[in-house]
Amino acid sequence: KNQVEQSPQSLIILEGKNCTLQCNYTVSPFSNLRWYKQDTGRGPVSLTIMTFSENTKSNGRYTATLDADTKQSSLHITASQLSDSASYICVVWTDSNYQLIWGAGTKLIIKP
Amino acid sequence: DSGVTQTPKHLITATGQRVTLRCSPRSGDLSVYWYQQSLDQGLQFLIQYYNGEERAKGNILERFSAQQFPDLHSELNLSSLELGDSALYFCASSQAGGSQETQYFGPGTRLLVL
Repeated sequence: KNQVEQSPQSLIILEGKNCTLQCNYTVSPFSNLRWYKQDTGRGPVSLTIMTFSENTKSNGRYTATLDADTKQSSLHITASQLSDSASYICVVWTDSNYQLIWGAGTKLIIKP
Repeated sequence: DSGVTQTPKHLITATGQRVTLRCSPRSGDLSVYWYQQSLDQGLQFLIQYYNGEERAKGNILERFSAQQFPDLHSELNLSSLELGDSALYFCASSQAGGSQETQYFGPGTRLLVL
């Protein structure tokens, strides 16, 4: 069964600190992996898209990594800001039925 | 602002009723996707349209249907509503519906079934 699992479920850190969110997937066939940021009650916003051949991709203070062999990805946030408080969702595209498989997300809270 | 618009923002209705949610994609985008997000749950893909034709189907109930019109806007029809249908419904769009494309999400329609 195609699944995307994320850890931790939730995380609280102090403003200015770094953090890393994890994603494991069992999706086949794999096409690409994305990270989205979703503010409460709002639509998700794309942060990165990585294909099989890409190991790292950055978008400002966000850096995503992908290990296609172990089927793991991480999202590293540097120098966190209060506006980073949101859910971060790992999503994998599969060509088996041409759709995105969504993780449940990690809820990140940044405290001043 | 993603450029994807959805109406209405909020909808309150009773069990057994039928509602229609509307989505206008970003200018130039031909593909539209519908998602359901129940409280504190992940997004569930419902259905995708490309240039008026159904392209992919997810976990969409038989009570739900959708279509994409010639002007590319899309409507999601939900009928015989149940309490469990209460959720946020998101529409997203992309240029051609390809696997590498970013999907841009609208603000969502919050449906409450009482």
